[in-house]
Amino acid sequence: EAGVTQSPTHLIKTRGQQATLRCSPISGHTSVYWYQQALGLGLQFLLWYDEGEERNRGNFPPRFSGRQFPNYSSELNVNALELEDSALYLCASSLTGGVGETQYFGPGTRLLVL
Amino acid sequence: EDQVTQSPEALRLQEGESSSLNCSYTVSGLRGLFWYRQDPGKGPEFLFTLYSAGEEKEKERLKATLTKKESFLHITAPKPEDSATYLCAVRNSSASKIIFGSGTRLSIRP
Repeated sequence: EAGVTQSPTHLIKTRGQQATLRCSPISGHTSVYWYQQALGLGLQFLLWYDEGEERNRGNFPPRFSGRQFPNYSSELNVNALELEDSALYLCASSLTGGVGETQYFGPGTRLLVL
Repeated sequence: EDQVTQSPEALRLQEGESSSLNCSYTVSGLRGLFWYRQDPGKGPEFLFTLYSAGEEKEKERLKATLTKKESFLHITAPKPEDSATYLCAVRNSSASKIIFGSGTRLSIRP
């Protein structure tokens, strides 16, 4: 069974540009979560999508946004990139987003902002 | 405020030297405590989910336990390939997000 997949694996952008990161959940999973992991820091919750709707977002500015498509894949968009946005962006999926469900992570997209 | 604290930050062990990693949590209505393993530059790999105090789960050299305030990840006779960062996370009663600790970097010397 295929796990969570993310693309691209690496992305290099310059300040002020926009970045788009993509995630495909495990087959049958409807919930997708996005996390940011900056160097030396823990995982910070960004966004949660379920059944095409945004269910919750973490303490990040509005220039971090995303969406979930009808096939449950998801996209994270980061506008007006800043140097401190450089990080590993992780996507996770769970079956329905229900209480106590395990989240399974993808390999991540390494974003470097120059 | 919901919080997860892991200790120690880093742990170096000799191959075969058993030890435990700690995860202390404060959460409004625990709806799951999760352990993950993360290798450098990769996504976290799921290890265990625990739901209630007294619960225990095992996988190879790892055993996770849960009390009302903390969880332990016991590693028995570790091997160099067990070297990784171990992350603990909790989900609260609102289930709206999962809160991660900062992790324990485990290094096993041959």
